[in-house]
Amino acid sequence: GAVVSQHPSRVICKSGTSVKIECRSLDFQATTMFWYRQFPKQSLMLMATSNEGSKATYEQGVEKDKFLINHASLTLSTLTVTSAHPEDSSFYICSARQGLSYNEQFFGPGTRLTVL
Amino acid sequence: AQSVTQLDSHVSVSEGTPVLLRCNYSSSYSPSLFWYVQHPNKGLQLLLKYTSAATLVKGINGFEAEFKKSETSFHLTKPSAHMSDAAEYFCVVSFTGGGNKLTFGTGTQLKVEL
Repeated sequence: GAVVSQHPSRVICKSGTSVKIECRSLDFQATTMFWYRQFPKQSLMLMATSNEGSKATYEQGVEKDKFLINHASLTLSTLTVTSAHPEDSSFYICSARQGLSYNEQFFGPGTRLTVL
Repeated sequence: AQSVTQLDSHVSVSEGTPVLLRCNYSSSYSPSLFWYVQHPNKGLQLLLKYTSAATLVKGINGFEAEFKKSETSFHLTKPSAHMSDAAEYFCVVSFTGGGNKLTFGTGTQLKVEL
């Protein structure tokens, strides 16, 4: 099956700093990538959808200036958490989809962010 | 609007006994339904999906689910649990009119005991 990687797998940072998380599709071209957030013992919540070469579409309640998403190529999307605060600590998961909207999404292993 | 409810946050079974993880959905349109499994520190893996074809869907690792429109349910079953089935399971709904965005249930933690 298709493989999606995320880097880093874990990151700890100080409050006020910015953190960048990478999501890569390793063996296919991802025209669309998705970013999710999962709080402990809770479900995945979609944060934003990004199409290669276009601005990301953010879900209601997600601050676009805080969570910067770049999808500059068909195999790479990045999520930058700017001026991170402890409440941003969470598990961030990306997924990637090739082609049409009904195609399967393939999920990355996630990134655990801890903001001190 | 679409939503999905997983009725049990935790399910515990003995190895070799049947597994039933319950899921009910709400969707204004004909939905696509999925079950994903998440092992610790691993990405989500698709177990099976229903997309308006056969109502009984067979997936990987011996799992299957039945789409029951009258009950708005899509319960996940397996005849005989294995220790390796212990994980978090998510029921997910999407529909074409919503851009096929995935809406996740809150998850069910499956524990398999000897």
